[in-house]
Amino acid sequence: DVKVTQSSRYLVKRTGEKVFLECVQDMDHENMFWYRQDPGLGLRLIYFSYDVKMKEKGDIPEGYSVSREKKERFSLILESASTNQTSMYLCASSLTLNTEAFFGQGTRLTVV
Amino acid sequence: DAKTTQPTSMDCAEGRAANLPCNHSTISGNEYVYWYRQIHSQGPQYIIHGLKNNETNEMASLIITEDRKSSTLILPHATLRDTAVYYCIVRVGSYDKVIFGPGTSLSVIP
Repeated sequence: DVKVTQSSRYLVKRTGEKVFLECVQDMDHENMFWYRQDPGLGLRLIYFSYDVKMKEKGDIPEGYSVSREKKERFSLILESASTNQTSMYLCASSLTLNTEAFFGQGTRLTVV
Repeated sequence: DAKTTQPTSMDCAEGRAANLPCNHSTISGNEYVYWYRQIHSQGPQYIIHGLKNNETNEMASLIITEDRKSSTLILPHATLRDTAVYYCIVRVGSYDKVIFGPGTSLSVIP
């Protein structure tokens, strides 16, 4: 089975801190995605990557950056966390852009 | 971009079939319909997908209308563990930027 692992289930950070959310997949998938999920808004795509060192902006990239130095790892970076970035963050991977995506368990980030 | 509309919520009696509808009237010819579900406090889980033919797997069946403007996900014998939010998605854009709408909250009732 495909496994997508996010480093933390729950995280509390202070406003202005730099925050790293890590995601690792074990199935040699080319594509990886970061979403945030908020009540009433569904899942919104922040960034995705289709290859090592490649990245594309999603619908809401502002305030975020990403890093993909190795194929199995995709990191989401909040350069200066703000309270409006309090959310559930979900990482996903897929073999190709035409196949189903597999999701991690999510990281619930609270910025205080 | 093709978008989907789903009912906000549905109830289903345990053991009965759950039929979840989805409208995607602007779907283009090469776009697939995907279904995912999300059980509370977990990440979304892939269920099934299809292009124009009906599909079945161990979890569910997917019925797509001939004009492809709508589809129905069928859980043949719903259990309490099927209580979840169900998302109907079509692939959009030149890359697989999967866009999730609010979905349908399915409650399976004993």
